[in-house]
Amino acid sequence: QITLKESGPTLVKPTQTLTLTCTFSGFSLSTYGVGVAWIRQPPGQALEWLALIYWDGDRRYSPSLKNRLNITKDTSKDQVVLTMTNMDPVDTATYYCAHLYDVLGLDQWGQGTLVTVSS
Amino acid sequence: QSVLTQPPSASGTPGQRVTISCSGSDSNIGSNYVYWYQQLPGTAPKLLIFRKTQRPSGVPDRISGSGSGTSASLAISGLRSEDEADYYCASWDDNLSTWLFGGGTKLTVL
Repeated sequence: QITLKESGPTLVKPTQTLTLTCTFSGFSLSTYGVGVAWIRQPPGQALEWLALIYWDGDRRYSPSLKNRLNITKDTSKDQVVLTMTNMDPVDTATYYCAHLYDVLGLDQWGQGTLVTVSS
Repeated sequence: QSVLTQPPSASGTPGQRVTISCSGSDSNIGSNYVYWYQQLPGTAPKLLIFRKTQRPSGVPDRISGSGSGTSASLAISGLRSEDEADYYCASWDDNLSTWLFGGGTKLTVL
């Protein structure tokens, strides 16, 4: 059974850097074709894809946010970490991590964590 | 404004069949798989359809996906009150090298 869980601060101040951790179980991020993605959803708004890291270390970022994002993986800990710099109130959202596998796409999601950006 | 276009709302009465459309372009829906997600209030999205037409185990067969060219559709037949949720389409975009989500469709069961 695949599970993912996001963790990190619930409140950050403007200009600070946000660090979120996705801890997963039920799969290995060293398996061919597997990836972990981050997606966010501002309150009452649509989903927005942020970043993705594959089993081989390949990384992809949202073009509009790529200068602020960094995604890394720790296969030994079964974790993926997303950092986002220069946080702004418009970045207030629920942040999700999700498992990606081949044609199944983003098939399993974490419960999400709400991050509020406010001074 | 999302690159994948969905109607903001849809509605139907119990037992009816409703469809939700998703329009894209050659670089996304036209050349890559389409996925559909259901998001109940206060919960994470759940995969309903992958590879445009296939259902993961546990998703009832009254839910189906279809499409051609640069458009896709999600159909829900035998509508139930528990189907009231937000629905999102998604696809990879070759030009942008990103995953794209539609703007979401809020389904109301009248």
